[in-house]
Amino acid sequence: DAGVIQSPRHEVTEMGQEVTLRCKPISGHNSLFWYRQTMMRGLELLIYFNNNVPIDDSGMPEDRFSAKMPNASFSTLKIQPSEPRDSAVYFCASSFRHYGYTFGSGTRLTVV
Amino acid sequence: GQQLNQSPQSMFIQEGEDVSMNCTSSSIFNTWLWYKQDPGEGPVLLIALYKAGELTSNGRLTAQFGITRKDSFLNISASIPSDVGIYFCALSSNRDDKIIFGKGTRLHILP
Repeated sequence: DAGVIQSPRHEVTEMGQEVTLRCKPISGHNSLFWYRQTMMRGLELLIYFNNNVPIDDSGMPEDRFSAKMPNASFSTLKIQPSEPRDSAVYFCASSFRHYGYTFGSGTRLTVV
Repeated sequence: GQQLNQSPQSMFIQEGEDVSMNCTSSSIFNTWLWYKQDPGEGPVLLIALYKAGELTSNGRLTAQFGITRKDSFLNISASIPSDVGIYFCALSSNRDDKIIFGKGTRLHILP
């Protein structure tokens, strides 16, 4: 298996633009997680899906952030409009229950 | 909410030294996990601990699940340059599939 695949690896965008981050989980995994990592706040869980259904979105910072999982092999995290404080590394992870919890390589987002 | 405290925040050591870091939680959990994050990559699982008192090794790494089920430590023996990175402790939730991460210990190795 190729692991969890995220795209793009790097994204630079201007403030106010829409940003879409993509994730392909490991086949057979039924849980998918979006994290944000910054120096100040560490790894923060933004949202968690189980069997394509959002279970816990309490970590989503505000209404500018939204996430979807239309099927078992694809998820998106969208920021609209983006702001400089959204600059961070965004990770996607997938697991089967607690097992095989695997992270992607992340998307480094810079909003200027 | 759940409190997971990891220390130290960062460490500067000489190559060849042993390293120790630990985590404590405010509640009892069933699984402790230790991850390492290399620069520019996502965290990768090093060791998983499932029973109180369990001591598990993975090469030069040793981790233990505390008897009280509220703490864990990770030791690295004879550190080498590729040990540089951020080490995270993590707990698997008792209620769902989420994993809760500590703030991380950033390990620096001086030549």
